[in-house]
Amino acid sequence: QSALTQEASVSGTVGQKVTLSCTGNSINIGSFAVGWYQQISHGAPKTVMFGNSLPSGIPDRFSGSKSGTTASLTISGLQPEDEADYYCSTWDYSLSAWVFGGGTKLTVL
Amino acid sequence: QVQLVESGGGVVQPGGSLRLSCAASGFSFSNYDMHWVRQAPGKGLEWVAFIRYDGNNKYYAASVKGRFTISRDNSKNTLYLQMNSLRAEDTALYYCAKAIAVAGTSHFDCWGQGTLVTVSS
Repeated sequence: QSALTQEASVSGTVGQKVTLSCTGNSINIGSFAVGWYQQISHGAPKTVMFGNSLPSGIPDRFSGSKSGTTASLTISGLQPEDEADYYCSTWDYSLSAWVFGGGTKLTVL
Repeated sequence: QVQLVESGGGVVQPGGSLRLSCAASGFSFSNYDMHWVRQAPGKGLEWVAFIRYDGNNKYYAASVKGRFTISRDNSKNTLYLQMNSLRAEDTALYYCAKAIAVAGTSHFDCWGQGTLVTVSS
């Protein structure tokens, strides 16, 4: 069982806005910024968000936010190439470890 | 650009050992913290180990603590993961990742392609 909870699957149509969520607690998401990682067809992960910061080369249709112990990754204007598994992660102060969510499979219909 | 190339994976019997390497290029390796992350077949990502840029601080996942050792050679721009007492549940694709600190938190910035470790008799 993952320390962070993500939806198992989310779907959307091309052009739609979708939001993926990542829920933790006060000693992980509640205290630290969250990173988001995209994995297409079981290839190497790619970083798409650090907290609210967009890595170089990532389109600005990706955005990140956090409220309390839940972080969100929003994709505005969904594209076919966004279909992937998405994982969230942050530092857990109690575990002294980085923790991941179980991942969300995003399907573009 | 940043390049991370893992090597050293293979098939090993339970109880055996393996040393993974990650050759880094395209950035000043000695200035950056590094991670190992793994992914078992059909499963999600699992963080394994972390090492500070100077090698002075290390953290391990509970599942590997006491069996795995992370290290680095900044003169060779290389990260290592020594894996001992391997178990079937250590079977996974092992990624090295360059760390980046954002908003006071270390995240995974760039990733290698991974090296596959299979523990089987």
